[in-house]
Amino acid sequence: DTGVSQNPRHKITKRGQNVTFRCDPISEHNRLYWYRQTLGQGPEFLTYFQNEAQLEKSRLLSDRFSAERPKGSFSTLEIQRTEQGDSAMYLCASSPTQGNSPLHFGNGTRLTVT
Amino acid sequence: QQPVQSPQAVILREGEDAVINCSSSKALYSVHWYRQKHGEAPVFLMILLKGGEQKGHEKISASFNEKKQQSSLYLTASQLSYSGTYFCGTENAGGTSYGKLTFGQGTILTVHP
Repeated sequence: DTGVSQNPRHKITKRGQNVTFRCDPISEHNRLYWYRQTLGQGPEFLTYFQNEAQLEKSRLLSDRFSAERPKGSFSTLEIQRTEQGDSAMYLCASSPTQGNSPLHFGNGTRLTVT
Repeated sequence: QQPVQSPQAVILREGEDAVINCSSSKALYSVHWYRQKHGEAPVFLMILLKGGEQKGHEKISASFNEKKQQSSLYLTASQLSYSGTYFCGTENAGGTSYGKLTFGQGTILTVHP
């Protein structure tokens, strides 16, 4: 168990640019989640995958955000035409399929939009 | 809707006890507790299920009052390593139970020597 890995750890971009983050979950975990966390707040749910299927997407997520998990292993989160309000920590988590399992979080990608 | 945690912050000396509360306005299926240190990932502490309780750590325990939609996290004989921000994450009753959690705003716990 090597844990959930996220890359890059930090990303600084200019407003209007596109960015992509990667998440490698724990290998035997079928469930994968993306959360966003701003300073002083708890993580906020963005989207959820069961294997390669994206089963839920938060209503708070604009059309500029897209996530994929093409082979049911790693996942990418892309933000197009970034805005300053997108600045946050983007956390990925994974868990086994069995219900009532804890989420295993990665260390996150901190995005700063200037 | 986001669960409400109280207090917002706690300052303790080593060896003291603390209680952190988490309240929801919705019927809950489960409550998860996590601890996050600055710059690090949230780390799972324990999960409480409707109709049961699961204990994750020796000196950290929790309760779940289903009727009041409340959970409390109890930290006894606190250690310096307990410092961090504690989050409760709730899963609503009637959902598909796939682990989609709504987190509270967090409680900052600081333990001094």
